[in-house]
Amino acid sequence: DGGITQSPKYLFRKEGQNVTLSCEQNLNHDAMYWYRQDPGQGLRLIYYSQIVNDFQKGDIAEGYSVSREKKESFPLTVTSAQKNPTAFYLCASRNGAENTIYFGEGSWLTVV
Amino acid sequence: KNQVEQSPQSLIILEGKNCTLQCNYTVSPFSNLRWYKQDTGRGPVSLTIMTFSENTKSNGRYTATLDADTKQSSLHITASQLSDSASYICVVSLYNNAGNMLTFGGGTRLMVKP
Repeated sequence: DGGITQSPKYLFRKEGQNVTLSCEQNLNHDAMYWYRQDPGQGLRLIYYSQIVNDFQKGDIAEGYSVSREKKESFPLTVTSAQKNPTAFYLCASRNGAENTIYFGEGSWLTVV
Repeated sequence: KNQVEQSPQSLIILEGKNCTLQCNYTVSPFSNLRWYKQDTGRGPVSLTIMTFSENTKSNGRYTATLDADTKQSSLHITASQLSDSASYICVVSLYNNAGNMLTFGGGTRLMVKP
């Protein structure tokens, strides 16, 4: 099946630790995105990548890092510099021809 | 500042009833507007997408309207079902030199009760 796969679904992090959320797509989409969702708020853009080996900061990039070494993969690292990382994280990719955004199933990150 | 405002924030209706969700935006230049359905703890799923020239689009029991002059959109749900309980998110696409960028509304949380 074609789609976007995020893992893990649930992740617990101790304070001071870095964690990496995986995002893989087999849709052959060039553009990929990471969003953060907090209760009752709209999705906020963390980082996006329009093409392999290139990415740009979104609105709330501080405390996060990404890489785009392969078209299919866009992992997000939540570093210890992110002071309030507990949230629901969504990865997405875009089909430029259809102008449609496809989302993964999300990852819950909780700091313990 | 580009903004997308949705109302109401939450809504409770009885199964079988209709409802209408609102979305007002200030995004410019406008490219397109999407409505997504998001079940709790899941990723959003696209319901409709409309460009500047379209003023209505249906997807089963979901009908979206767009008034580009007043910058308003609505999502009408007909004969609601329990499975319609979810958050509905309005997303407006801005086109600029960096490519399409998205502005998300805060969503309307709909609960359908039996």
